[in-house]
Amino acid sequence: NAGVTQTPKFQVLKTGQSMTLQCAQDMNHNSMYWYRQDPGMGLRLIYYSASEGTTDKGEVPNGYNVSRLNKREFSLRLESAAPSQTSVYFCASTVSGLNTEAFFGQGTRLTVV
Amino acid sequence: KNEVEQSPQNLTAQEGEFITINCSYSVGISALHWLQQHPGGGIVSLFMLSSGKKKHGRLIATINIQEKHSSLHITASHPRDSAVYICAVRGTASKLTFGTGTRLQVTL
Repeated sequence: NAGVTQTPKFQVLKTGQSMTLQCAQDMNHNSMYWYRQDPGMGLRLIYYSASEGTTDKGEVPNGYNVSRLNKREFSLRLESAAPSQTSVYFCASTVSGLNTEAFFGQGTRLTVV
Repeated sequence: KNEVEQSPQNLTAQEGEFITINCSYSVGISALHWLQQHPGGGIVSLFMLSSGKKKHGRLIATINIQEKHSSLHITASHPRDSAVYICAVRGTASKLTFGTGTRLQVTL
């Protein structure tokens, strides 16, 4: 059981560079999420997708875009990275509408210099 | 004021001690999650509960919906319990709102 798979695990970018964080789940979950985790703060929601073909902004969407490519995959794109986007990013998935557990990827540690 | 407040922020205990971590929330929820995060590691779900009490091994989670409060207890704590424990509440559209976490260190 792979669960939620995130790539890459680590990444260093220069200011202005772009990159895409990949996330895939094999549990047939319909809801997927991208969070960032910063020191002293709880995980904050960037974007989420309640079902294939839909995406919605979360608490901190500025500077990010997402794509729900299919039911399995939900990618997060930084078009022009900024130092303020240095963070640890987590992808998560769950079954919406039911009180079920949430499953998290291993995280991506991103540094923007 | 954050929607989800955890206390304490940091906790040091000796092996064998009984540990309690508290979580208070200010919004209506459908469920509450307790999660564990080891240093440099991913996030693992410990419990999801919407009422009452759940037990798994040495871990016990309780929730009082009327008081908007939940507790996570660890009995007979062990150094391998050292981690950050995170409370998260599930609101509308299945979105999770997270507390800032409680960093637990269990020493020999």
